[in-house]
Amino acid sequence: EIVLTQSPATLSLSPGERAILSCRASQGVSSYLAWYQQKPGQAPRLLIYDVSNRATGIPARFSGSGSGTDFTLTISSLEPEDFAVYYCQQRSIWPLTFGGGTKVEIK
Amino acid sequence: QVQLVQSGSEVKKPGASVKVSCEASGYTFTNYVIHWVRQAPGQRPESMGWINAGNGNTKYSQHFQGRVTISRDTSATTAYMELSSLTSEDTAIFYCARGHSSTNGNNFDSWGQGTLVTVSS
Repeated sequence: EIVLTQSPATLSLSPGERAILSCRASQGVSSYLAWYQQKPGQAPRLLIYDVSNRATGIPARFSGSGSGTDFTLTISSLEPEDFAVYYCQQRSIWPLTFGGGTKVEIK
Repeated sequence: QVQLVQSGSEVKKPGASVKVSCEASGYTFTNYVIHWVRQAPGQRPESMGWINAGNGNTKYSQHFQGRVTISRDTSATTAYMELSSLTSEDTAIFYCARGHSSTNGNNFDSWGQGTLVTVSS
């Protein structure tokens, strides 16, 4: 099973600042890495698939990069609605697995 | 618009089984995969398995193998997940999610609202 490790666990930032979230895989996942946003009491929402492709309706301030084992989600300028937990997920090898999450909180 | 509507909360005793439904609308049900995902309180989501709504093929995570059965009723555009031999560790929110067509169905582009299953004696 591929283990995904996210860092940091918590990111304290102000609206307008840039957020950089990291996801590291225990073995290479090629380009099969996605990112989700989850707010309290809600289901996760797909943001990015296959490293850098934004899902339908996702604003351009969200971008993804990386390859192999190291990946990054960047939020260029945080909006109030962006404060949430973010998970990465790999689809390279079954079972599909998620990272432990990064909470982006208001500083 | 795509909608996945799940059945309501359940309370079960240890050792019992639970069956959760997921009614799909707003798209051609048989053209997509439906996944089931478990998320325990404060924990990361866990993939349980999926069903190809068209041909009925299934695949399960080894972690749940032997305890989970995913099925579907195409006439009702509904998928089901049954989990047996429940323990307190199964207390979680269970989500159904549609597989994203651009990624062989192995990302999740629409989600149900979640069903809380509480296992308690």
